[in-house]
Amino acid sequence: NAGVTQTPKFRVLKTGQSMTLLCAQDMNHEYMYWYRQDPGMGLRLIHYSVGEGTTAKGEVPDGYNVSRLKKQNFLLGLESAAPSQTSVYFCASRPRETGNTEAFFGQGTRLTVV
Amino acid sequence: KNQVEQSPQSLIILEGKNCTLQCNYTVSPFSNLRWYKQDTGRGPVSLTIMTFSENTKSNGRYTATLDADTKQSSLHITASQLSDSASYICVVSRSMDSSYKLIFGSGTRLLVRP
Repeated sequence: NAGVTQTPKFRVLKTGQSMTLLCAQDMNHEYMYWYRQDPGMGLRLIHYSVGEGTTAKGEVPDGYNVSRLKKQNFLLGLESAAPSQTSVYFCASRPRETGNTEAFFGQGTRLTVV
Repeated sequence: KNQVEQSPQSLIILEGKNCTLQCNYTVSPFSNLRWYKQDTGRGPVSLTIMTFSENTKSNGRYTATLDADTKQSSLHITASQLSDSASYICVVSRSMDSSYKLIFGSGTRLLVRP
């Protein structure tokens, strides 16, 4: 049971380049989330999905797009990377049942935009 | 404003000593509070969950407390070990919608020295 897997683990982009981060979970969870973690700050929600084919904006969505074509996958896209998007990105998933369910996190993707 | 504040930001203790980490929150309506441990280069992993009616919960050497009246929680680590060196994140879940959004504190970075 792999849990939540993020691809890639590290990436360096030049300003203006695009890329897609992949998150895959094998726990049949309905909810999936993308966060970014910056030094001295708590994880901030970029986008989330409550089910296949649905996405919604979080608190810092600008510059990012997402898609959830399959229940197990949640993709985060950067169309034109900027240095301000240098961060560690975490994907998480949790089942729908109640608010007490645990969120499971991937190992993170460290992205540097130069 | 829904916020989670943690203190101290960082802490250094000697192996075998005890320590207590603090979390104050203003999140409403409150669903539950989780303490996560995040090892360097890894995603957060849940240590314990506290719901509104719970005051104390232990998980091995970790003991969490919750005072829902004052909106404060603490995480006490007993007989610290080198492997306890990590960031500890307090996460509060809001119950106002079906997505149960998570509000993250910025974490306490703990270093246990031999």
